[in-house]
Amino acid sequence: AQSVAQPEDQVNVAEGNPLTVKCTYSVSGNPYLFWYVQYPNRGLQFLLKYITGDNLVKGSYGFEAEFNKSQTSFHLKKPSALVSDSALYFCAVRVRNYQLIWGAGTKLIIKP
Amino acid sequence: GAGVSQSPSNKVTEKGKDVELRCDPISGHTALYWYRQRLGQGLEFLIYFQGNSAPDKSGLPSDRFSAERTGESVSTLTIQRTQQEDSAVYLCASSLGFSGTELAKNIQYFGAGTRLSVL
Repeated sequence: AQSVAQPEDQVNVAEGNPLTVKCTYSVSGNPYLFWYVQYPNRGLQFLLKYITGDNLVKGSYGFEAEFNKSQTSFHLKKPSALVSDSALYFCAVRVRNYQLIWGAGTKLIIKP
Repeated sequence: GAGVSQSPSNKVTEKGKDVELRCDPISGHTALYWYRQRLGQGLEFLIYFQGNSAPDKSGLPSDRFSAERTGESVSTLTIQRTQQEDSAVYLCASSLGFSGTELAKNIQYFGAGTRLSVL
């Protein structure tokens, strides 16, 4: 069955430290992978994607993600966290007809 | 407007009543999606429209749920005889669909959602 897993409900990081939000997937064929961010009372915003090419992809707000085919992972990273990065982060993978299936989300809390 | 617009932003209704939620996609986007997001959970796919093709209704949880879209414009999601378990945020998204680059047509743009509370 096709699925996306975000194993951590919440990640706590001190401001200035590197952060990682984990995502693993199970899908047939070559995956299209996405990260979206949801700020309180706002819609989801596209952050970055992997479709093909370099395994390290860069996105908005200094975020990047590494596609690892052997581990079927697509972890979100940032070298130095900001308090304003605190939000809910969703990983998604494309299945048929441009539809996405979504992870349950990870709440990222950056403490000053 | 430049983004996806949803209305109302909040809806409180009594159990058994019907509700209608509206979504205005980004102009030129042929694909439109409805999702349900329960508190603390991820997005649950409901329905997908692509141009004039028959919609993919495979995610609708029951026959109380229905959705329509006129051409490539506004969509309405209707929930009949609402139940307390229908309480959630309903999100609408649009994308370029089959046009544009491989990247562009895969990015979904979301509205702020409608928070539905069934008492």
